[in-house]
Formats: sequence, C-alpha cells, structure tokens
Amino acid sequence: DGGITQSPKYLFRKEGQNVTLSCEQNLNHDAMYWYRQDPGQGLRLIYYSQIVNDFQKGDIAEGYSVSREKKESFPLTVTSAQKNPTAFYLCASSMGDRRTSTDTQYFGPGTRLTVL
Amino acid sequence: AQRVTQPEKLLSVFKGAPVELKCNYSYSGSPELFWYVQYSRQRLQLLLRHISRESIKGFTADLNKGETSFHLKKPFAQEEDSAMYYCALKGMTSYGKLTFGQGTILTVHP
Repeated sequence: DGGITQSPKYLFRKEGQNVTLSCEQNLNHDAMYWYRQDPGQGLRLIYYSQIVNDFQKGDIAEGYSVSREKKESFPLTVTSAQKNPTAFYLCASSMGDRRTSTDTQYFGPGTRLTVL
Repeated sequence: AQRVTQPEKLLSVFKGAPVELKCNYSYSGSPELFWYVQYSRQRLQLLLRHISRESIKGFTADLNKGETSFHLKKPFAQEEDSAMYYCALKGMTSYGKLTFGQGTILTVHP
C-alpha cells in the first residue's frame, strides 16, 4: 500500500476540542474526498475537492471543515460543533477527469476518532 | 436525489455455494454503478464497475435499469470472499462523487 496515507491511525479527543485528520496522496490526483463510515450506515460524504484551492460540501458537512492548499494534501478538521464525531474517517482520491468513466477512487487506511 | 440500498446487512453462505449481494438504486438519469470491497485489515478498494462489464475474482454484476438494480453474483463462493461489500453510484452530473449503500458483510463458511 502507499499512494494515499492518513494519520494518525487512532485519535482521541476530549469534548469541546477541535482535531485535524491528515490525508496525503502522491498519486498526482486532482480530486480528493472525505467520508465518514458508521456501522449500518455505509460511507457518507463529508467534503470533496475537485482541484487545489476549491472544495464543496458533501452530504454531512456540518461540524467539519477542510482546506486544499496543496494538491497532495486535504486535511479534515472535526470541530466542537460536530455533535457525534466518534467514527471511522476515510479519505480518498481520484484522477477527477470528467472525460473518462474510469475515475476510480483510491482509499486511505482510515483514522478512527474517539471522543472521550 | 440519488440513493443506494443494500437490503442485507449480513449474508452467510457455505463455500462452493452461489452468492448474490443485492443492490438497488434510485436515480433519475443514467448512473454509473460500482462495487467496492473491504477485506479484513485492508483498505476499501474497487471490485468492479458496470461500465467495464468485467468479471473480477469470479464476481459479476449486471446493471438492470428496469429494476434499478446492480446485484453482485458469484456462482461458487470461496472463504477468501468474506468481506464487507459496498455498492456505489455516481450520477451523470456528480463529478466524482459517489453515493454508497449501507454495506453487506459476506461470510463464507468452510
């Protein structure tokens, strides 16, 4: 594995604290995504970015923020406004080429966030 | 709005038996459908996409627009097929965004 990395693997946070999850890729992909994985709910899209310095809200963006200052990096901040932040967070990237249908998303290993 | 439904949270079969993981979708246009798989202690990865019409690890899936389904099938299940399977949809105007189903945990018993 390689290509897309997430750190840390496990993260513990006290209530009321903001925390930032790291996602880095060396696949030269334009598009990057953050998902949240909860048992019985599948993956839900938090934020996505099609290109550097641009990002859009996904289906469950409330309580989260992102930045995309570099092509390789797409950090996710879980703020104190997120009411139920304990979850498994997955980052993904893809070429993002509209012209093809082979826009496979490649996933990182995930970060498990627990709020104490 | 687009939605993907996987009605079975858990599916158990014996080795050598046929297996079918169900996926139904709701989308007004022509979607692209995918199956992703997550084996134990491995990353989520693409298994197959409908547009390629391919068979991967013995699995096939046919898009049935009339029934809005994209069921994943394998005639003879193997123990190594045990994993979490997600069906996902990409709409025509969704750029790279995927909508995932709730996932099905497949267990193949020896």
